[in-house]
This record gives sequence, C-alpha cells and structure tokens, in this order.
Amino acid sequence: GDSVTQMEGPVTLSEEAFLTINCTYTATGYPSLFWYVQYPGEGLQLLLKATKADDKGSNKGFEATYRKETTSFHLEKGSVQVSDSAVYFCALSGGATNKLIFGTGTLLAVQP
Amino acid sequence: EAQVTQNPRYLITVTGKKLTVTCSQNMNHEYMSWYRQDPGLGLRQIYYSMNVEVTDKGDVPEGYKVSRKEKRNFPLILESPSPNQTSLYFCASTSQGPRNTGELFFGEGSRLTVL
Repeated sequence: GDSVTQMEGPVTLSEEAFLTINCTYTATGYPSLFWYVQYPGEGLQLLLKATKADDKGSNKGFEATYRKETTSFHLEKGSVQVSDSAVYFCALSGGATNKLIFGTGTLLAVQP
Repeated sequence: EAQVTQNPRYLITVTGKKLTVTCSQNMNHEYMSWYRQDPGLGLRQIYYSMNVEVTDKGDVPEGYKVSRKEKRNFPLILESPSPNQTSLYFCASTSQGPRNTGELFFGEGSRLTVL
C-alpha cells in the first residue's frame, strides 16, 4: 500500500542554519503531497503542498519540490528561527476518500 | 472563525468506562475523519465519514465507533476503553467535490489516558 518515510528526529539546529527534512513516498497513481506542522500543544496545520510532479510548494520560507523520479518531497528552509521548532509531518493523499497517509513526524528543535 | 473543535482536550479514565470524544466543525465540510497519533507511528486513521449517515473504517478501527447524524458533528465513541487506546486523538475535516483542495483541517487534539 501507499506509505511515507521521513527522516528520524530529533533534528537540532542553531538559529539561521539551513534545514532539510527528507521525505520519500511509495504510491500508486499520482498522489498529492503535503507538509503539515504541529506546534507544541496544537493540532496539525498545513504548511505547504504540491499536487503534481515538479510542483514546488512554499510557505513561510519553507519549500518542497515534488520529485516523481526520486519519489521525494524534501522540506527545506534557508534560515530557521526558534519559532520554527515543531514537529513536521510529510503526508500524501490519493483517491476519493481524502485520506492522508502520514510519515512518523520529525521533531525540529532550533536553539538561539 | 473557521475551526474544528474537540472535547475534552484531556481525559484520564479507567478501563471499561465508556467515553465519547466530540468533534464539531463550522465550515460546512462534508468529510470528517478521526486519527490517532502515537510516538514512532505518526497519525493513523481510525474512521472517516464522507457525508451525513455515511461512515467507513480507516486503518485502525478496532475498539472505536463513530456516528454522523449531523453534518457538523462526528463523535468518536470508545465503548470499553483499554490501555492500548491511550493516545492523542485528532479530528479533521475538509470539503468534498470542486471545493476540495486536499487540505485537512485539524482540531487541537484530545489526549486520552486509559488506566
């Protein structure tokens, strides 16, 4: 079945460092891909998405490109801030049921 | 304000004592779903509903029931909770058809502990 694999955390970075969180997927068909973020004590909220190959999603300085050839959707940010500390989930969606299949989440801790 | 509201946010209960976690959305969404979040496992879908009176099992439905009598509400029922149902639960919703963007809107979560 469809699945998402993302890098294990936690990831600890200093402020202004470059961030990459790897995400690869296995899916039949052509899923949409998402990054969701979960701040401490809150629910998940959509960070960015891409719906077809070579699309780049971007938001709040984060970017991810839908790479069909490598089945990847890596999250990047050029300069992280303390306020970016959160858990990041990669997810895919396909089919008619709106079901999201999530990766296990990656905890990002940014230190001042 | 558009939102998905879950109650209670925190609950400690004992094995076998029936409980209900409520979920309500004010966005007129047709689709609603329940997920549980466990360390190292990410989020897994429990049940979903495509519209009123239409519900279906997700990946981990055992031990749970749901109902969808009204469009805005989608309660999660644990008839006889067990310790392996200790988890963080999220309700989510989205629109169907042409309005659907693929994005799920999540509640703030309900942390349940079963002793």
